[in-house]
Amino acid sequence: AQSVTQLDSQVPVFEEAPVELRCNYSSSVSVYLFWYVQYPNQGLQLLLKYLSGSTLVKGINGFEAEFNKSQTSFHLRKPSVHISDTAEYFCAVSDRKGFQKLVFGTGTRLLVSP
Amino acid sequence: GAVVSQHPSRVICKSGTSVKIECRSLDFQATTMFWYRQFPKQSLMLMATSNEGSKATYEQGVEKDKFLINHASLTLSTLTVTSAHPEDSSFYICSAPAGAATGGDTQYFGPGTRLTVL
Repeated sequence: AQSVTQLDSQVPVFEEAPVELRCNYSSSVSVYLFWYVQYPNQGLQLLLKYLSGSTLVKGINGFEAEFNKSQTSFHLRKPSVHISDTAEYFCAVSDRKGFQKLVFGTGTRLLVSP
Repeated sequence: GAVVSQHPSRVICKSGTSVKIECRSLDFQATTMFWYRQFPKQSLMLMATSNEGSKATYEQGVEKDKFLINHASLTLSTLTVTSAHPEDSSFYICSAPAGAATGGDTQYFGPGTRLTVL
């Protein structure tokens, strides 16, 4: 069975500071990894995904993540955050590339203050 | 990008009544849709896979007679919570994979439906 752990339930950070949101997964089969963002009262939006190829994945809004197989991690990073990045971030894993059933982590709330 | 809508966004009902939630793909066709449930401060949990033209596939522990799913067309899936009870109160979210040409590897999520059962 697959599982995802997001150790930080909340990450406070000042505007323009760098941030890293941690995600660790467990899977016994091929793994495909995703980061989603959920703004208040909105649906989840895909930030980025790792399906194959380069382990450094770049996504929207200046976010990137690195797939580390040996550490079973897929941490999300942004070098300089904005107030508008305040949202809930979910890491998810699937054993399929397409039409995925996603297993989600519990989410990390990123709070960006001035 | 592709858009998925849900209706209603919020519903309050009395215990014992049934509630229908609609999930629509607005600008693409979706032969498959997924239904998730999210309890406060918890992760999204997959409930079932909705398949157009065939029966839904339910995850272990999800009562198929309680959560009825109908994928009526290539753009509409409905989830009916039958005889709702307070413990069914939750946030229900649907998603649909798009980009069939690339293997449907991008999922689009609806904004969710907040169900409160009194």
